[in-house]
Amino acid sequence: AQSVTQLDSQVPVFEEAPVELRCNYSSSVSVYLFWYVQYPNQGLQLLLKYLSGSTLVKGINGFEAEFNKSQTSFHLRKPSVHISDTAEYFCAVSGEGGSYIPTFGRGTSLIVHP
Amino acid sequence: DTEVTQTPKHLVMGMTNKKSLKCEQHMGHRAMYWYKQKAKKPPELMFVYSYEKLSINESVPSRFSPECPNSSLLNLHLHALQPEDSALYLCASSQLQGAAQPQHFGDGTRLSIL
Repeated sequence: AQSVTQLDSQVPVFEEAPVELRCNYSSSVSVYLFWYVQYPNQGLQLLLKYLSGSTLVKGINGFEAEFNKSQTSFHLRKPSVHISDTAEYFCAVSGEGGSYIPTFGRGTSLIVHP
Repeated sequence: DTEVTQTPKHLVMGMTNKKSLKCEQHMGHRAMYWYKQKAKKPPELMFVYSYEKLSINESVPSRFSPECPNSSLLNLHLHALQPEDSALYLCASSQLQGAAQPQHFGDGTRLSIL
């Protein structure tokens, strides 16, 4: 069965510093990978997705992620964070089984300090 | 602005009440989803509709009853809920039900059971 591991439950960082949120996945078939962000009192919003092609994927709000098949990782990065990036970030994988339903990681809380 | 609209935003109900949650999208998407999300946890899939037909029921108790009256609307009827059903209920949609399909989420209904 497919699974997602987000290694860090919480990542504190100062404003304008770079950040990396880690995501590793497990699957026996080819996968599609997603990062979603959830701001307080809101639903999830798609940040970026990897379906095929270039392993470096650029998303909204200056985020990017790199698909690494050999390390089964899909880490999310931003070179300079803002206070407004404070939110919960979920990595998700889909592709296994006939239902095509994504499996979400437990989430990483990004806390940006001034 | 979210393209998936959920009403109401908040709902407080007793264990004997009957209420309904509503979800609407006008993006022409043919797959719609209900998720339950507890605080600081990832969303848990409850139901999937594809072309207005129930495609997946993740062993959800019968006190939750989904309905898809047309391709734009999704309802979740609630009856005799338990305190542990208090959570954020998220609706999502995607163009089709498929592994490569990112989901568009509403902002959810925050449900409290007294």
